[in-house]
Amino acid sequence: GDSVTQMEGPVTLSEEAFLTINCTYTATGYPSLFWYVQYPGEGLQLLLKATKADDKGSNKGFEATYRKETTSFHLEKGSVQVSDSAVYFCALDSNYQLIWGAGTKLIIKP
Amino acid sequence: NAGVTQTPKFQVLKTGQSMTLQCAQDMNHEYMSWYRQDPGMGLRLIHYSVGAGITDQGEVPNGYNVSRSTTEDFPLRLLSAAPSQTSVYFCASKGNSYEQYFGPGTRLTVT
Repeated sequence: GDSVTQMEGPVTLSEEAFLTINCTYTATGYPSLFWYVQYPGEGLQLLLKATKADDKGSNKGFEATYRKETTSFHLEKGSVQVSDSAVYFCALDSNYQLIWGAGTKLIIKP
Repeated sequence: NAGVTQTPKFQVLKTGQSMTLQCAQDMNHEYMSWYRQDPGMGLRLIHYSVGAGITDQGEVPNGYNVSRSTTEDFPLRLLSAAPSQTSVYFCASKGNSYEQYFGPGTRLTVT
């Protein structure tokens, strides 16, 4: 069945560092891909999405490109802030259901 | 709009007790779902509904019941709580766009 694999955390960076969180997927067809973010004590919020190959989703300085050839959707940000500390989830849309990665905790130190 | 609301925020149950987690949305979304979140396992789908009167099982439905009598409400019932059901539960809804909207979660502990 469809699945999502993301890099294990926690990922610890200093403020203003470059961020990459890897996400790869296995799916039949061409699903939509998402990154959700969960801040401490809160529910999940959609961060960005891409609905077809080569689409780039972007929001709040974060970007991810839908790469069909490598079945990847890596999350990047050029300069992280302390306020970006959260858990990030990669997901794909499979027949009304979201298939989730395990989540990657990101810790940004000032 | 309040979005997706869940009650209670926290709950402690003893093994064998039953309870209902409440979920409501005011966005007129047809699709609603329940997930549980466990450390290192991401979110797992328990049950979902594509409209009033229609429900279906997700990945981990055992021990849970749902009903959808209205578009707004989608309660999750634990029939006989077990320690393995200790988790954080999230309700979500989705309209015509791709985005799912999540409630703030219910943290459940079963002793």
